[in-house]
Amino acid sequence: AQSVTQPDIHITVSEGASLELRCNYSYGATPYLFWYVQSPGQGLQLLLKYFSGDTLVQGIKGFEAEFKRSQSSFNLRKPSVHWSDAAEYFCAVGGGSQGNLIFGKGTKLSVKP
Amino acid sequence: AAGVIQSPRHLIKEKRETATLKCYPIPRHDTVYWYQQGPGQDPQFLISFYEKMQSDKGSIPDRFSAQQFSDYHSELNMSSLELGDSALYFCASSSFTDTQYFGPGTRLTVL
Repeated sequence: AQSVTQPDIHITVSEGASLELRCNYSYGATPYLFWYVQSPGQGLQLLLKYFSGDTLVQGIKGFEAEFKRSQSSFNLRKPSVHWSDAAEYFCAVGGGSQGNLIFGKGTKLSVKP
Repeated sequence: AAGVIQSPRHLIKEKRETATLKCYPIPRHDTVYWYQQGPGQDPQFLISFYEKMQSDKGSIPDRFSAQQFSDYHSELNMSSLELGDSALYFCASSSFTDTQYFGPGTRLTVL
């Protein structure tokens, strides 16, 4: 069955510190992978996506993610976190011609001064 | 750039009432998806439409129905509302093989 696992429910980092949010997926075919960010009570904003090609993808707001097929992972990274990055982050698989998205449970990011 | 529009943004209903949620996709997008996000939960896929035909169905209750119209907007109709239907309802649109872009959501509260 297709699934996405985000092992960390809640992460707290200091402003200016680096960040890595983990995502593992289970998918029968070559997956389309996405990271979305959601502020409280708001919609889902696309940070970045991977369809094919270069396994290191750049997104908005200084985020990047690396697709590792051998580890079934698509971890999100940012070298220096800003207070405005505090939000919930969802990893998702599917989409495009693969149809609906399957989301992970999300990781809530808190940023301390 | 134009985004996905959803209306209303907030809706309060009583149990057993009906509700209609509307979604206006990004221009030239032909595919619409509906997702439900309960409190503290991840979004769950309900149903999708491509070129006005239902293309896929997820965990949508029989009390819910949806359609996509000739102008590509979509409506989600919810009847016999239950307390458990209280959630954020998202619409996303895409060109068939491309990325889904989400609207701001409709927050439905059932009292």
